[in-house]
Amino acid sequence: GQQLNQSPQSMFIQEGEDVSMNCTSSSIFNTWLWYKQDPGEGPVLLIALYKAGELTSNGRLTAQFGITRKDSFLNISASIPSDVGIYFCAGAGYGGSQGNLIFGKGTKLSVKP
Amino acid sequence: EAGVVQSPRYKIIEKKQPVAFWCNPISGHNTLYWYRQNLGQGPELLIRYENEEAVDDSQLPKDRFSAERLKGVDSTLKIQPAELGDSAVYLCASSGGQGIGELFFGEGSRLTVL
Repeated sequence: GQQLNQSPQSMFIQEGEDVSMNCTSSSIFNTWLWYKQDPGEGPVLLIALYKAGELTSNGRLTAQFGITRKDSFLNISASIPSDVGIYFCAGAGYGGSQGNLIFGKGTKLSVKP
Repeated sequence: EAGVVQSPRYKIIEKKQPVAFWCNPISGHNTLYWYRQNLGQGPELLIRYENEEAVDDSQLPKDRFSAERLKGVDSTLKIQPAELGDSAVYLCASSGGQGIGELFFGEGSRLTVL
């Protein structure tokens, strides 16, 4: 089945540092999304990307939809303690299942205060 | 505006027992999803409803799992009988015509099967 590969699996960073994570797939997606999940909560949408090559920002977060439509990147600038959590990439729009999301396994972000 | 509401938040049962989870989506959202999230993994789709119709249940283990969405609003996911491997967080999500993939998730129901 469809699989998304996220890297890194986890990372520790110093507060104030920039963070980069990425997601790749062997299949093409028409939509890439990034969600964040805090402990005991459901995932929350951060950024949605709908066009190959698109670069979108949401505050300190910037994400890009890869030109091949098989990858996406998320950058967090000047990290703060509340950035801690698990970040999931998700792809949608493969085949005829426009509404179904495929999630990666997540990147766990821990920030040293 | 209220978000997606799920209950119960936590459930501990013995294997072979039945269990049910309930979800109330955001008002006006026609699409409802049930996902399962195993420890250390991303959510995996079990079933998707468009109003009261299940349009994708290909990943639902139909021998023991069932779901319904009567009247196209609330939904119930049932497992009978539960197995040890069913321990996971069951997430409900809804969407209302925003961009593709823009889902609103509930807090989840954490199931532990002993």
